[in-house]
Amino acid sequence: GAVVSQHPSRVICKSGTSVKIECRSLDFQATTMFWYRQFPKQSLMLMATSNEGSKATYEQGVEKDKFLINHASLTLSTLTVTSAHPEDSSFYICSASRTSVTDTQYFGPGTRLTVL
Amino acid sequence: GENVEQHPSTLSVQEGDSAVIKCTYSDSASNYFPWYKQELGKGPQLIIDIRSNVGEKKDQRIAVTLNKTAKHFSLHITETQPEDSAVYFCAASLTTGGGNKLTFGTGTQLKVEL
Repeated sequence: GAVVSQHPSRVICKSGTSVKIECRSLDFQATTMFWYRQFPKQSLMLMATSNEGSKATYEQGVEKDKFLINHASLTLSTLTVTSAHPEDSSFYICSASRTSVTDTQYFGPGTRLTVL
Repeated sequence: GENVEQHPSTLSVQEGDSAVIKCTYSDSASNYFPWYKQELGKGPQLIIDIRSNVGEKKDQRIAVTLNKTAKHFSLHITETQPEDSAVYFCAASLTTGGGNKLTFGTGTQLKVEL
């Protein structure tokens, strides 16, 4: 159990367009989902925390209007990169926590975004 | 906020040898410490975790030790195999019942050589 999927796995887009990334918990309900960004050979940087039915909490320095997060159900969270620019190119990874009982985070496989 | 330091940044061992990765944390209130393995181009995979009410936990070839007084914890991999080659991240958080932020270390690139 505790499988998290992401879609798409890779996406290439032009500057100025928007890209949506989906994160799904396949076999459990996720009260909380997290979105991370990872640059090559670096650690994971938390972008935001989302709770089902609530507004996401963004980390300092992360533009909430640029990185739109929606946690519509207990199994789905989406990250939309709006008006993407080449500097937004990165590896985006989501994670999910089962319920309030435990806070173990299970990670998705990641999405490689390339903005031309 | 929490700060997690991880050493070494790279580690090369011979197959069959043991590997040890160490992390220190700054917030004495942190009580949950997971370790993740990340292969190239993939998401991190939880391999073992420990909570502050225990000092050691073992799962087959993998073990984690925690010293709350010194605020450090370590990952031990015995009988290393080539498939253990990956980047390993430690993390720390204060758990209050769910949805808590992890602070990650900078990662250790482990290479197991034949």
